[in-house]
Amino acid sequence: DLQLTQSPSSVSASVGDRVTITCRASQDTSTWLAWYQQKPGKAPKLLIYAASRLQGGVPSRFSGSGSGTDFTLTISSLQPEDFATYYCQQAMSFPFTFGPGTKVDI
Amino acid sequence: QVQLVQSGAEVKKPGASVTVSCKASGYTFSSYYMHWVRQAPGQGLEWMGMINPSSGATSYAKKFQGRVTMTRDTSTTTVNMVLSSLRSEDTAVYYCARDRVAETVSYYFDYWGQGTLVSVSS
Repeated sequence: DLQLTQSPSSVSASVGDRVTITCRASQDTSTWLAWYQQKPGKAPKLLIYAASRLQGGVPSRFSGSGSGTDFTLTISSLQPEDFATYYCQQAMSFPFTFGPGTKVDI
Repeated sequence: QVQLVQSGAEVKKPGASVTVSCKASGYTFSSYYMHWVRQAPGQGLEWMGMINPSSGATSYAKKFQGRVTMTRDTSTTTVNMVLSSLRSEDTAVYYCARDRVAETVSYYFDYWGQGTLVSVSS
């Protein structure tokens, strides 16, 4: 199975900070990668798909980049509602795996 | 508006089976693949498989083959997931999630159900 790792596993940040999360794939995934946000007790929410495309309704402070094996999710100016756990997910090959998550807290 | 509403929490004994349902509304049911993803307590997300609501064709993760069955009922716009031979490690929240793209499959999930907690304990 294609494995995904994320770093850091957690990050403490303040409102207004720029936050960058990295996802690394064990094999080339081209740009078949998504990012999700999950808050406690809630279902995940799609933020970014195809590595860099913003899902409709998602604020423009979220951006994604990368291709191949290295990807990043950037939050340009952290807002109070952004404190959550973020997961990457590859859509390149079965089974569609997720990264272990990065928790963004205060 | 798109809604995926799942059935309620279940408590099962080891060896039993569980059925989780997901009722879809607000879009053309047959046009979008539906996926199932689970999340053990405090853990990450795990993709289990998917179903084409139009044809009923399924694809399952190898880990679950032989134990999972996904079906759909187009008359009620409902997708069901049956997991059998339950063990304690199957304790998790189970989500249905719609594929992002109509008439094909992208393997990205844009709408999710609220989740169904399945607890397996003797």
